[in-house]
Amino acid sequence: EADIYQTPRYLVIGTGKKITLECSQTMGHDKMYWYQQDPGMELHLIHYSYGVNSTEKGDLSSESTVSRIRTEHFPLTLESARPSHTSQYLCASSEDMQGYGYTFGSGTRLTVV
Amino acid sequence: RKEVEQDPGPFNVPEGATVAFNCTYSNSASQSFFWYRQDCRKEPKLLMSVYSSGNEDGRFTAQLNRASQYISLLIRDSKLSDSATYLCVGRGFQKLVFGTGTRLLVSP
Repeated sequence: EADIYQTPRYLVIGTGKKITLECSQTMGHDKMYWYQQDPGMELHLIHYSYGVNSTEKGDLSSESTVSRIRTEHFPLTLESARPSHTSQYLCASSEDMQGYGYTFGSGTRLTVV
Repeated sequence: RKEVEQDPGPFNVPEGATVAFNCTYSNSASQSFFWYRQDCRKEPKLLMSVYSSGNEDGRFTAQLNRASQYISLLIRDSKLSDSATYLCVGRGFQKLVFGTGTRLLVSP
């Protein structure tokens, strides 16, 4: 039973379209993260948030943007999708304490054609 | 140098074998460590936390060696279902740092 939800699970969209990937968690976690991962490759942190109205860029530069208006919701937006944005996007959240790992959503597999 | 480094593998082992993965970390201030498992095209899932005293969960044993700054995962009696990528994870400054993962293939 997932406590962190991502929608859509799969998305195929044309170049130039604006898209928003949704991520919601029901655990009350303050910390949330977005990772990008290509098949067979490592995870790259692209955005994170430590709470409402807090967003930071991650280790990998991304053209996407995020917002955190509510604790449970951390959407990611691409204003103009390009084929280079084709990837899997994984959302995660965590307790704000040492010793706790991340819980990941099932991911959104994005294909831009 | 990456903060968490792992041998990408793949490690090909027969069913029933014992296999061990190591990873090294560069941030001596890291306090928490984890092993995650990731199946092909799925999200990473927490396998176990790693403690200085070592911890065991069934066929899986994790060890932390702070002096040498490495973390290990031992899998005994490998099953076909253990085939996956195993991610070594350390806690960096306020967030987790993921290794690139070690791929394990268990064959009949």
